[in-house]
Amino acid sequence: ILNVEQSPQSLHVQEGDSTNFTCSFPSSNFYALHWYRWETAKSPEALFVMTLNGDEKKKGRISATLNTKEGYSYLYIKGSQPEDSATYLCASFMEYGNKLVFGAGTILRVKS
Amino acid sequence: GAVVSQHPSRVICKSGTSVKIECRSLDFQATTMFWYRQFPKQSLMLMATSNEGSKATYEQGVEKDKFLINHASLTLSTLTVTSAHPEDSSFYICSAGLGSYGYTFGSGTRLTVV
Repeated sequence: ILNVEQSPQSLHVQEGDSTNFTCSFPSSNFYALHWYRWETAKSPEALFVMTLNGDEKKKGRISATLNTKEGYSYLYIKGSQPEDSATYLCASFMEYGNKLVFGAGTILRVKS
Repeated sequence: GAVVSQHPSRVICKSGTSVKIECRSLDFQATTMFWYRQFPKQSLMLMATSNEGSKATYEQGVEKDKFLINHASLTLSTLTVTSAHPEDSSFYICSAGLGSYGYTFGSGTRLTVV
């Protein structure tokens, strides 16, 4: 059974704060790790697709790292802004399963 | 970029009726689409993989006679909830696209069965 876990479940920060959250996944048969941002009343939007151990990707103030040997990924947001408020989902793509398995998400609320 | 359109966004139906949800890829062809269901405060759970021109692949525990999936063209997949009951009330969302770039999602359908 594949379990993708995300922590924390929710996070409230002040504008300007930097924050990070964790995604853990089974490291065996790993193929890829996806991060999505899901704003209220919108579709989930792909942020990163990561495949290589030690990989680090960046998009503006958001970055992510990947450790496939120990089965975790961190998502970092530098200088949080109110528009960063969303649910951040990670999902693990298992090679033999050919499907994405999602974590429950981290809800981020940024107060101005 | 790739766009997936999902309709309706919200539907309320009476118990015993059937509801059809459409998922269209607007600017690309999707041989495979995925249907998810989300219960409150839980993760997106894959229900089935919709394959163009062939039968859908259902996940364990998902009743294929209850959740009918049709993928008759490269741009359209439909999910029909047959003889809906209150326990079928949920959020349903589809996705498609290339895994290496991340999947593109529809905006989801909130189904309420009364």
